[in-house]
Amino acid sequence: DVKVTQSSRYLVKRTGEKVFLECVQDMDHENMFWYRQDPGLGLRLIYFSYDVKMKEKGDIPEGYSVSREKKERFSLILESASTNQTSMYLCASSRPDDLSYEQYFGPGTRLTVT
Amino acid sequence: KQEVTQIPAALSVPEGENLVLNCSFTDSAIYNLQWFRQDPGKGLTSLLLIQSSQREQTSGRLNASLDKSSGRSTLYIAASQPGDSATYLCAVRLGFKTIFGAGTRLFVKA
Repeated sequence: DVKVTQSSRYLVKRTGEKVFLECVQDMDHENMFWYRQDPGLGLRLIYFSYDVKMKEKGDIPEGYSVSREKKERFSLILESASTNQTSMYLCASSRPDDLSYEQYFGPGTRLTVT
Repeated sequence: KQEVTQIPAALSVPEGENLVLNCSFTDSAIYNLQWFRQDPGKGLTSLLLIQSSQREQTSGRLNASLDKSSGRSTLYIAASQPGDSATYLCAVRLGFKTIFGAGTRLFVKA
């Protein structure tokens, strides 16, 4: 079974802090994604990566950056956390080459910025 | 711009009832459509994936259909159980991007 893990289930940070959210997958997937989920807005794509050191902006990249130094690990960075970044963050991965394959999601990190 | 709509937003049914959740999308040029389940405060669990060339997929008590030409998909749940209570999301894949619906919150009463 594909396993996608996220470093924290719950995180509380202060405004202005630098925040790292980490995601690891164990199935050699080349594609990895970061989403945020907010009530009434659904899931929105922040960034995705289709290979090591490769990244593309999603629909809402402002205030975020990402890092993919190793194939299995995709990190989301909040350079200076703000209260409007309080949200549920979900990481996903999918198999390489064939865009028809499924996305597999991690358990999510609920981030609160105070 | 692709939009995905799910109706109803919420549904409450007695245990044992068969039910249908609806998903519609505006652009038929999709790679696939995926149905997910999400329990409160948790991540998404994939239920069924329908490729763009397929019409339906089945897994246990679940059956999902896809009609690309009309931009519709349905998720049929047979003999619902309290354990089916969750939010159900549909998502359409366009290249690297996936567009999600807002979900249908299902409550199955014992």
